[in-house]
Formats: sequence, structure tokens, C-alpha cells
Amino acid sequence: GQNIDQPTEMTATEGAIVQINCTYQTSGFNGLFWYQQHAGEAPTFLSYNVLDGLEEKGRFSSFLSRSKGYSYLLLKELQMKDSASYLCAVSLSYNTDKLIFGTGTRLQVFP
Amino acid sequence: ETGVTQTPRHLVMGMTNKKSLKCEQHLGHNAMYWYKQSAKKPLELMFVYSLEERVENNSVPSRFSPECPNSSHLFLHLHTLQPEDSALYLCASSQAWDSTDTQYFGPGTRLTVL
Repeated sequence: GQNIDQPTEMTATEGAIVQINCTYQTSGFNGLFWYQQHAGEAPTFLSYNVLDGLEEKGRFSSFLSRSKGYSYLLLKELQMKDSASYLCAVSLSYNTDKLIFGTGTRLQVFP
Repeated sequence: ETGVTQTPRHLVMGMTNKKSLKCEQHLGHNAMYWYKQSAKKPLELMFVYSLEERVENNSVPSRFSPECPNSSHLFLHLHTLQPEDSALYLCASSQAWDSTDTQYFGPGTRLTVL
């Protein structure tokens, strides 16, 4: 079966750094997406990793290790507006072309 | 308008009602998706349309009936729903039906079934 795990909730302080982990066990793997979803709003694209390593995009970075089935999203210089759910999603290639989502990690940033 | 829009944003219906959710994308994409998002559960893919043809149907009960009249519009027709169908229904689109393509989501319709 397909399985994606991420923590349910995390808290952090404004200005700090937080790392949100995602582990996956899937049949077939193309790449891994991270989406941000504010309460009551649409998920919005943050990053897509295909190759191993770290990709940096401003305050947000995403890391992938295909051999370990592991990814993380790193958020630096946290701001209050970063309070949201962060969804990890794996792009599958085996037998069917689809995207499988984790349950999401709800991040609360406190002043 | 830009992006992906959905109407209505909120819907309350009885179990015997018939209603429809509407999605429109202004991105020139060729693939559109319906997802269900329930509390504490992952986003569940319901239907995929590519070039107006249904290409994926993930064992969704027949009380949900999708329609894609053209590449910009997607509907989800609802009838005789159950209370457990209460959820956020998200529409998304992507350039092509390819799981490596970034999907762009609408704001969702919050559905409550009484």
C-alpha cells in the first residue's frame, strides 16, 4: 500500500526555524510536493523535489532523500503568516499516475 | 478572474436534496480534479478529467456524479448524500494529467449534510 507520514501538529516562535518531516513508503516514485494551506483557503504550491538534496527558495527550503523515503520542509525566520497546514504529497508512477497526500502538519507560530 | 474558482463556498443540504458544485479554471489547463478533504484525513482524489474525458474514478459512490463540459469547467453533482459526506471539496487543475505537474487548487466548497 501507499503510506505517507507527517506530524499532526507543530508549534514554533516567530523568528525561529522549524523543520517539518515527511516519510513515505510507496510503489513507484516520481517526486515529492509540498503545499501550504491556510485555514479555509486553497492549498498553494511551495516546492517539488525530484532529485536528492536541498532546494532553497527564499525562507523555505525542501530536502529529499529517495533512498530513505524522507523529505523535510525547512522554514526560516518564521512569521505569523506562516501559521498554516503543510501538506506533503508524493507523485507516483507505478501502475497509475497520481498524487498521494499526507494528512498535513498544522503549524502554529506564536509571537 | 485568475486561478481556480469554486462556487458555492459553503453549502448546507439535507440528505434528500440535489445540488451541484462548480469549478472554473482560468489557467488554460487540460486536466481538472475533484478532491475530498475531511478533518484529520489526507486529501482524497475523487475524479480526474483530462481533455474533458474522465480518466480516474477512485471508487467514489454513485451519489457523486462529475461532469466536465469543457476544459475550463468542472461540476460535481450531489444527490442523496450522507452526513459522512460532509467535508471540504477541492477542485484543482494542472497543465496535463501528469502527477509531476503542479496542481493549482480552488478555495473549496465547505459542504455540510444534515
